[in-house]
Amino acid sequence: DAGVIQSPRHEVTEMGQEVTLRCKPISGHNSLFWYRQTMMRGLELLIYFNNNVPIDDSGMPEDRFSAKMPNASFSTLKIQPSEPRDSAVYFCASSLGRGVAGIQETQYFGPGTRLLVL
Amino acid sequence: AQSVTQLGSHVSVSEGALVLLRCNYSSSVPPYLFWYVQYPNQGLQLLLKYTSAATLVKGINGFEAEFKKSETSFHLTKPSAHMSDAAEYFCAVRGNTGGFKTIFGAGTRLFVKA
Repeated sequence: DAGVIQSPRHEVTEMGQEVTLRCKPISGHNSLFWYRQTMMRGLELLIYFNNNVPIDDSGMPEDRFSAKMPNASFSTLKIQPSEPRDSAVYFCASSLGRGVAGIQETQYFGPGTRLLVL
Repeated sequence: AQSVTQLGSHVSVSEGALVLLRCNYSSSVPPYLFWYVQYPNQGLQLLLKYTSAATLVKGINGFEAEFKKSETSFHLTKPSAHMSDAAEYFCAVRGNTGGFKTIFGAGTRLFVKA
């Protein structure tokens, strides 16, 4: 099993540029999560999907952030325009959610994308 | 609402010593509890989880955790620390709202001294 795949692994960009982070969940998993990790704020859940539908996006910090999941095997997190305070490691995770509510159990994390906005 | 508190952002032990990482939870329903480990420059990976079966849960790498309902605790232990255990450890509880999302603690960084 390839695990959760994220790309790129590293991204350096200038303030104001658009950034797109990509994630391929584990095949068969129906829940996908985007997290942001910084020294100051720790691990924050940004948004998660169940069966490609966004369930909770209350962690998305601003309208500059958007996430999509067009199909079961792909998701993107976009930041437009990017700002230096967006610098962080962004993790994607997937799990097998059960039932209508998509009850979550073990999450499997990708290696993360390290974003630096200058 | 569910919440998790990890006591101590940093813990330092000597190699061969007992590892004890503390986690207390708050939950209005029987909880599912997890410990994840994050090695430098990697994503989180599951160490162990409690799902209302045995209260003493054994995980990978010699770690175990005991669910104590009376103390609302789920502390992580390992009898003898190894240098390779140096990492950040996250306690987490599965919520019961909004799709039952997992709530992570702030993390405890474990240092192991030679």
